[in-house]
Amino acid sequence: AQTVTQSQPEMSVQEAETVTLSCTYDTSESNYYLFWYKQPPSRQMILVIRQEAYKQQNATENRFSVNFQKAAKSFSLKISDSQLGDTAMYFCASEETSGSRLTFGEGTQLTVNP
Amino acid sequence: DAGITQSPRHKVTETGTPVTLRCHQTENHRYMYWYRQDPGHGLRLIHYSYGVKDTDKGEVSDGYSVSRSKTEDFLLTLESATSSQTSVYFCATRQVNTGELFFGEGSRLTVL
Repeated sequence: AQTVTQSQPEMSVQEAETVTLSCTYDTSESNYYLFWYKQPPSRQMILVIRQEAYKQQNATENRFSVNFQKAAKSFSLKISDSQLGDTAMYFCASEETSGSRLTFGEGTQLTVNP
Repeated sequence: DAGITQSPRHKVTETGTPVTLRCHQTENHRYMYWYRQDPGHGLRLIHYSYGVKDTDKGEVSDGYSVSRSKTEDFLLTLESATSSQTSVYFCATRQVNTGELFFGEGSRLTVL
């Protein structure tokens, strides 16, 4: 079974600064997807960014980018120019392409301070 | 966004009563999932479905059952609710070509 670990239960950052959220995972698969989801106070789950394991290039979506280290099984999320609207719970998740099931980490509560 | 609606959105019930949560999708996605969210645990998979009448257990399936008689609907049933099943329940569907999950708004269940 896959496991996903987020070792930072809470983090805070000043508006306009950069913050990195950590995630490690364990899988026996050779091909899989990795995701970061955001859950603001509204409780809605929103996809932030997606990475396919066979692609070496790190995914980027506007102010959000990942540092994907396949050998180390690490998948960190970097948020640049943090905004107040980035305040949310962030979940890292992995999916085995053979199993079609997502496994989530425990979450990191990020607070952006003005 | 995928059209996924959950009902009820909020429910308070007593220990020992049956509860059914409904998930309805309009995207014709084959895969559907039920997760529960609890502080410190993230989202944990309860059951999932890979087609009509095809379901399988997740990591926390004890005390729950599911049914899927139509592509659009995925029901989660607690036969006899317990206080440990107080949680927020999320339904999700999966887009096959990207692996992305689309989530409903969540259903908050309180078992007294």
